[in-house]
Amino acid sequence: DQQVKQNSPSLSVQEGRISILNCDYTNSMFDYFLWYKKYPAEGPTFLISISSIKDKNEDGRFTVFLNKSAKHLSLHIVPSQPGDSAVYFCAASKGPFKNGQNFVFGPGTRLSVLP
Amino acid sequence: DTAVSQTPKYLVTQMGNDKSIKCEQNLGHDTMYWYKQDSKKFLKIMFSYNNKELIINETVPNRFSPKSPDKAHLNLHINSLELGDSAVYFCASSQVRGRDKTDTQYFGPGTRLTVL
Repeated sequence: DQQVKQNSPSLSVQEGRISILNCDYTNSMFDYFLWYKKYPAEGPTFLISISSIKDKNEDGRFTVFLNKSAKHLSLHIVPSQPGDSAVYFCAASKGPFKNGQNFVFGPGTRLSVLP
Repeated sequence: DTAVSQTPKYLVTQMGNDKSIKCEQNLGHDTMYWYKQDSKKFLKIMFSYNNKELIINETVPNRFSPKSPDKAHLNLHINSLELGDSAVYFCASSQVRGRDKTDTQYFGPGTRLTVL
């Protein structure tokens, strides 16, 4: 039973264009969401997060949008760069946060940015 | 400086053996985790420790035993290894911070375990 889904296993985008990675979740109790980026042979690295009190969070080229009613979030990368080519994981969690947190991860989407 | 480190990076062993994976973090975090990334690439939490105390213990065979000698280290010992244990194991650490009490986990590079 996948509580966090990333239905596109892969995505290819031209350099300079927008990349949109999607994530859906089923558990309405989730109220904190993160995106992680992972290069081959490395651990995931934190990219950006959003809590359920917001519907948008922006950090440089990366923006995460949250649609609570649709239980959907998306990561926008503008403009896309070849160095953005990686696997992107969406993760979700239930608050309140106390002594660490159990995040549920999606299966990842492999983004390829073509020069 | 490496924030979260794991050793070894690769581990190949025979079925039935006992092996350990070590994890260390120099971020001063209170909480550490072990995740398993299976063949379908899902990252699933196995254990979480806070200040050397077990917090999260998901449904994991009791052949897996985490040990936290101090809050900077969380080792994973696996007894009687089975073929299905082959996976990439990631260690992570975090610290609840801020008014929003947000929690970002920092991951190690992973240990690829292959059981033959």
